[in-house]
Amino acid sequence: EDQVTQSPEALRLQEGESSSLNCSYTVSGLRGLFWYRQDPGKGPEFLFTLYSAGEEKEKERLKATLTKKESFLHITAPKPEDSATYLCAVQAGSNYQLIWGAGTKLIIKP
Amino acid sequence: GAGVSQSPSNKVTEKGKDVELRCDPISGHTALYWYRQRLGQGLEFLIYFQGNSAPDKSGLPSDRFSAERTGESVSTLTIQRTQQEDSAVYLCASSLLAASYEQYFGPGTRLTVT
Repeated sequence: EDQVTQSPEALRLQEGESSSLNCSYTVSGLRGLFWYRQDPGKGPEFLFTLYSAGEEKEKERLKATLTKKESFLHITAPKPEDSATYLCAVQAGSNYQLIWGAGTKLIIKP
Repeated sequence: GAGVSQSPSNKVTEKGKDVELRCDPISGHTALYWYRQRLGQGLEFLIYFQGNSAPDKSGLPSDRFSAERTGESVSTLTIQRTQQEDSAVYLCASSLLAASYEQYFGPGTRLTVT
């Protein structure tokens, strides 16, 4: 069964303390892995798409990487405004649906 | 350009009433998706449109839920005879095409059934 698991469920960091969020997946025929950010009371905001193992993408303090089994979202020197829930989703095979992880709630304390 | 918009932003309704939720996707996006997100939980896929057709309606929770899309644009999600368990945020997303394209989300409609 296709599955996406995110860890940890929640992560509390001090401002400036770098860390990584994990998204592991078991799917047949990965077509794309997507990272989103969701602020309370808002819809998810698209961050990155990764298509193949070894691919990396960066945006400001965020860097997403992809292997054959998992993706990491690295956050460098985070600021309080980076606090949000980060969602990972996978598209696989001929299935148009995205398989979503449950998210990691990131809290950055000033 | 304009993003995905949804209306209303909030809806409070009495149990047993019908509600209609509207989604206006990004212009030119052929694929449109509806999701449900219960408080503190992940996204639950409901239905997907390619153009005006819905190839798969299997995500709809019951026959009280229906959706349509017209003009390859606006979509309406209708919930009949609402129940308290229907209370959730209903999110709409659109993408340029269905395959391997990122989805852009609207702000959602928060539905509360009393």
